Amino acid sequence: DAKTTQPNSMESNEEEPVHLPCNHSTISGTDYIHWYRQLPSQGPEYVIHGLTSNVNNRMASLAIAEDRKSSTLILHRATLRDAAVYYCILGGAGSYQLTFGKGTKLSVIP
Amino acid sequence: DSGVTQTPKHLITATGQRVTLRCSPRSGDLSVYWYQQSLDQGLQFLIQYYNGEERAKGNILERFSAQQFPDLHSELNLSSLELGDSALYFCASSEDRVTDTQYFGPGTRLTVL
Repeated sequence: DAKTTQPNSMESNEEEPVHLPCNHSTISGTDYIHWYRQLPSQGPEYVIHGLTSNVNNRMASLAIAEDRKSSTLILHRATLRDAAVYYCILGGAGSYQLTFGKGTKLSVIP
Repeated sequence: DSGVTQTPKHLITATGQRVTLRCSPRSGDLSVYWYQQSLDQGLQFLIQYYNGEERAKGNILERFSAQQFPDLHSELNLSSLELGDSALYFCASSEDRVTDTQYFGPGTRLTVL
């Protein structure tokens, strides 16, 4: 399985943008980049995914480097409810399970 | 609310016992996945079923088994329980096989005493 590298933890002030980085230098051409988050005492929650182009949805934006060796999850305006562990995961056709690493624990300061 | 339901929410049992965890996927989803989350191992994939058939296996112990029924709900059976089986067990479902976007249930917290 292609691996991802994320910082263990990050802090953000409330109502400020947050950029969560992920390195995936061994990504294959068919791997999608998925982001999930897990709030305390809850199951993981899908955030966003992409293949090559940048993606936006109601929760976040995903910026993918041109060489696809890294990506950044962007929360445009952090709220206290965004405090969670964020996981960057590679997967796609033929690789059905999600392989979770340790993720990045995001703390949001009021 | 992801649309995936799991029962029971909490389960407390003794070593050596057997338990069954139940999962109902989102309406229309054919794939069901089981994951285990413990403090020392993190979130680990156990097994996947697609439309009633086993599709992929991960770090699932021989004491554990699962099945998916014709109505697409799934059950995870854990037997000869040990203290180390205490963990959160999550079920997820998906419909999109290409991108594998999965929707997780709230989990079942198993405590083995």
